[in-house]
Amino acid sequence: GENVEQHPSTLSVQEGDSAVIKCTYSDSASNYFPWYKQELGKGPQLIIDIRSNVGEKKDQRIAVTLNKTAKHFSLHITETQPEDSAVYFCAADSNQFYFGTGTSLTVIP
Amino acid sequence: GAVVSQHPSWVICKSGTSVKIECRSLDFQATTMFWYRQFPKQSLMLMATSNEGSKATYEQGVEKDKFLINHASLTLSTLTVTSAHPEDSSFYICSVTGGGLAGIAYEQYFGPGTRLTVT
Repeated sequence: GENVEQHPSTLSVQEGDSAVIKCTYSDSASNYFPWYKQELGKGPQLIIDIRSNVGEKKDQRIAVTLNKTAKHFSLHITETQPEDSAVYFCAADSNQFYFGTGTSLTVIP
Repeated sequence: GAVVSQHPSWVICKSGTSVKIECRSLDFQATTMFWYRQFPKQSLMLMATSNEGSKATYEQGVEKDKFLINHASLTLSTLTVTSAHPEDSSFYICSVTGGGLAGIAYEQYFGPGTRLTVT
């Protein structure tokens, strides 16, 4: 089955700086890669996703890049704000969603 | 995206009792819903896939007789934890697919989760 690895597990940045979270996957058949934000005590919220026929996608301060050859994809958050503090999960779709282990992002005011 | 609700948001029950958790898709008909379990500071673990009108498909290691899933309509799936024990205490989250044809990727939208504590 698919194996998704996510790094780093924790990340602290100053407000206004950028944050980058990286994921790798093992199944070359995976073709959909969503990112979720989960706040404490809440369900995951889909924030951005990318399909295998696209290399990059951007939505305001959030962007995702995909390198299918290397089997890795990354989440980029620019101009971070305290409300971006949460746990972020990547996932790869290979018949079912396989989630990364999560990254706890803290944005320091 | 899809709007998904769960009820209750939290529940405390005594060991040996059963607890039912509801997952509702509020704004579209979901033929498939998923049930996940999440322990503190850990990732989501898929428990089962709930298909409307048919039996749920359970992941390896998940006891189907303990975690009963019913997907009776296109907007409602229920998870019943039977004879609950303290080790069943966890955060249970459902999700619904955003649609898509077989072989094409689909989005998953999650409910707010249900915190179960078994004493």
